[in-house]
Amino acid sequence: ETGVTQTPRHLVMGMTNKKSLKCEQHLGHNAMYWYKQSAKKPLELMFVYSLEERVENNSVPSRFSPECPNSSHLFLHLHTLQPEDSALYLCASSQDKDPGYGYTFGSGTRLTVV
Amino acid sequence: AQSVTQLDSHVSVSEGTPVLLRCNYSSSYSPSLFWYVQHPNKGLQLLLKYTSAATLVKGINGFEAEFKKSETSFHLTKPSAHMSDAAEYFCVVSEPSGYSTLTFGKGTMLLVSP
Repeated sequence: ETGVTQTPRHLVMGMTNKKSLKCEQHLGHNAMYWYKQSAKKPLELMFVYSLEERVENNSVPSRFSPECPNSSHLFLHLHTLQPEDSALYLCASSQDKDPGYGYTFGSGTRLTVV
Repeated sequence: AQSVTQLDSHVSVSEGTPVLLRCNYSSSYSPSLFWYVQHPNKGLQLLLKYTSAATLVKGINGFEAEFKKSETSFHLTKPSAHMSDAAEYFCVVSEPSGYSTLTFGKGTMLLVSP
């Protein structure tokens, strides 16, 4: 365990479903991130939350909706997804404003959209 | 703007032989540099990081990397490969900002044969 826990580990959903991914960290970090990892592509930063405020949204479609209720929890709400959204979704946390610290990643949620 | 180029998409070695994974970066600032490893169906684990201290950085599992500013390189090495080293390796650059954001390379898959 890295200290960042993601659930569920695997998720299969239809294009009309609504589901949520959950991320939890107990490292005392104050920044949390969602990344998308697709086959043959570099990791794509989706959202950044710093001190529970969204500070970056990298042109992510509105069918992905993040929520950060507190500094330890991060959600990614999914609705009306497309097959090309199938990927590994990784959550990470860090100590904000310290680029040398690095990120701690969760094990990811493998999402398959059918 | 920052970028990372991992020069090899795949590297194959025999167990017990040296490992060299190449990475070049581009950055407008004095960057922080990282290597992460991802085993199948796992999240990313931090191997080592460079943050403007010693240019030769030692990490976990016997890996090390040398920061060479003149060559804008941060190659990852290990004297003797183990079967358990087979995984995908990501070179990552981070620049100072209001919050830490990382730019990932496309990854190098390390294959280790008996």
